[in-house]
Amino acid sequence: QQQVRQSPQSLTVWEGETAILNCSYENSAFDYFPWYQQFPGEGPALLIAIRSVSDKKEDGGFTIFFNKREKNLSLHIKDSQPGDSATYFCAASLYSGTYQRFGTGTKLQVVP
Amino acid sequence: AQTIHQWPVAEIKAVGSPLSLGCTIKGKSSPNLYWYWQATGGTLQQLFYSITVGQVESVVQLNLSASRPKDDQFILSTEKLLLSHSGFYLCAWSLGRDTEVFFGKGTRLTVV
Repeated sequence: QQQVRQSPQSLTVWEGETAILNCSYENSAFDYFPWYQQFPGEGPALLIAIRSVSDKKEDGGFTIFFNKREKNLSLHIKDSQPGDSATYFCAASLYSGTYQRFGTGTKLQVVP
Repeated sequence: AQTIHQWPVAEIKAVGSPLSLGCTIKGKSSPNLYWYWQATGGTLQQLFYSITVGQVESVVQLNLSASRPKDDQFILSTEKLLLSHSGFYLCAWSLGRDTEVFFGKGTRLTVV
């Protein structure tokens, strides 16, 4: 019931395209959903996050679309650049803020 | 500025030997602290969290223990390493619910 799943497992897009990464969760008690970017050999870094009271969040070229009823969300990366090539993790957090469940990850490759 | 320092950067240890990993957070008082583990190519699994000195909660049982001897220090340890302990260990901090989680650079552990 704590599973957080991501699709696709890997994604290749051309430079300038919009990359769409998907995430779904099972536990309706999750109420905060951050997305992280991780480069090889480094710790993840927060990109953008959304609370379950919202259905959309934009920050620069990143947009989260959130569907509470369907328990899924997606991250749109507009105008993808080769420097965006990394692994992206969706995470889900409970009200307390002390527990965070990471998704399975999507490896994004942006081809010039 | 807040900084998070993890040590060591990498370790190669024998099965059955003890382990101690550490992290220090400077620039913030009373942060929430976390330990995560990541298998090569895998997702992040939260191991422990602590909201105050001397109090540590376990999220999963992996024959590891954690302690918070000081407000800014978090230690991960075990008396006997297993092959399955190999991976990337990440320390992280946040200021509580719905706030950004900042990750350290991690410790790469290889158990042989």
